[in-house]
Amino acid sequence: SQELEQSPQSLIVQEGKNLTINCTSSKTLYGLYWYKQKYGEGLIFLMMLQKGGEEKSHEKITAKLDEKKQQSSLHITASQPSHAGIYLCGAVPFMDSNYQLIWGAGTKLIIKP
Amino acid sequence: DAGITQSPRYKITETGRQVTLMCHQTWSHSYMFWYRQDLGHGLRLIYYSAAADITDKGEVPDGYVVSRSKTENFPLTLESATRSQTSVYFCASSESHSADTQYFGPGTRLTVL
Repeated sequence: SQELEQSPQSLIVQEGKNLTINCTSSKTLYGLYWYKQKYGEGLIFLMMLQKGGEEKSHEKITAKLDEKKQQSSLHITASQPSHAGIYLCGAVPFMDSNYQLIWGAGTKLIIKP
Repeated sequence: DAGITQSPRYKITETGRQVTLMCHQTWSHSYMFWYRQDLGHGLRLIYYSAAADITDKGEVPDGYVVSRSKTENFPLTLESATRSQTSVYFCASSESHSADTQYFGPGTRLTVL
């Protein structure tokens, strides 16, 4: 069962526009990871957030974790064709004794030229 | 080459055959993982290993066997392949804890006829 909800499931964005992808948990999280996947390839690690209110940026991608550590957003500024792919969030629930990642179903991002 | 590799990248087999998927990492990471990725289910953990000779079941272990005699290798065996095991399989590793950042291989696309 999916304990991490990602939204939207898919997104078509005009090149140059901004976009946001969300990842929500019903449980407080120990840490949250964002990955990107291109078709036919593995997952590429983007960022990890661990502290409530934390924000990290890499190039044109910014990820934030809310103060309650239950929701994260991934924001892309001035999107480019290279941003196209599937974005997945993974997280470790705080009280999970095994500390195993649970995963969102992914958001498919298409960039229109 | 440094990193995490998987072989084969593509495999077609028949129902009832035994299949082994290989995973090799050069970082000397303690933890290794096997996931399967299916539409509608996202990533699901099959097995993981905390160190050589230490393995444990994940969410969907039935029909799979793993071993880890060396730190760098973590093969996944389907003892008697079924059509429901048609999927994309990803191997991942993390440095010293299952909640550390996981680094993924390129995946193996397995089709069971």
